Amino acid sequence: AQSVTQLGSHVSVSEGALVLLRCNYSSSVPPYLFWYVQYPNQGLQLLLKYTSAATLVKGINGFEAEFKKSETSFHLTKPSAHMSDAAEYFCAALNQGGKLIFGQGTELSVKP
Amino acid sequence: EPEVTQTPSHQVTQMGQEVILRCVPISNHLYFYWYRQILGQKVEFLVSFYNNEISEKSEIFDDQFSVERPDGSNFTLKIRSTKLEDSAMYFCASSSLGGVNTEAFFGQGTRLTVV
Repeated sequence: AQSVTQLGSHVSVSEGALVLLRCNYSSSVPPYLFWYVQYPNQGLQLLLKYTSAATLVKGINGFEAEFKKSETSFHLTKPSAHMSDAAEYFCAALNQGGKLIFGQGTELSVKP
Repeated sequence: EPEVTQTPSHQVTQMGQEVILRCVPISNHLYFYWYRQILGQKVEFLVSFYNNEISEKSEIFDDQFSVERPDGSNFTLKIRSTKLEDSAMYFCASSSLGGVNTEAFFGQGTRLTVV
């Protein structure tokens, strides 16, 4: 069965610092992977998705993620954090039926 | 930009009462989903719906839960007799296609509080 694990329920960075949010998946077949962001009192917004076209995926707001099959990882990065990046981030894998399997979520705090 | 809308944003209900959570998916979408997020926990899949029937459901989605698309625009989740542990944020989502290579668009969620 597919599962998604996000390491670190809380990550705190300084404004301008590198953001690294970790996601590992387990799957017997190549997965389709997503990162969603949830701002306070809002729904889930798609940041980016991996669908096997390219291992480095660029998303909105300067985020990108790299699919590494050898490490079963899909970590989310952003070179320079902005205060507006403070939110909860969810990694998710899509099964063949269209069901999303989410990780536990990582809350990102950005310090001035 | 088209979006998925959910009403109400927050609902408080007494244990044992029935609740109906409403969703208006994006108009040309064909696949509909409900997810829930208990406070402090991960987002969990509840059910998917296509062609007026349930495609897949999780073990959470027991006989107390039902879904319906009553009028071609709304997509509802009914909890027949709410329990305290049903308190959660419920997200509706829709997509134009099923399976891979499709993006699910999520609503803002309904926070259900059972007291």
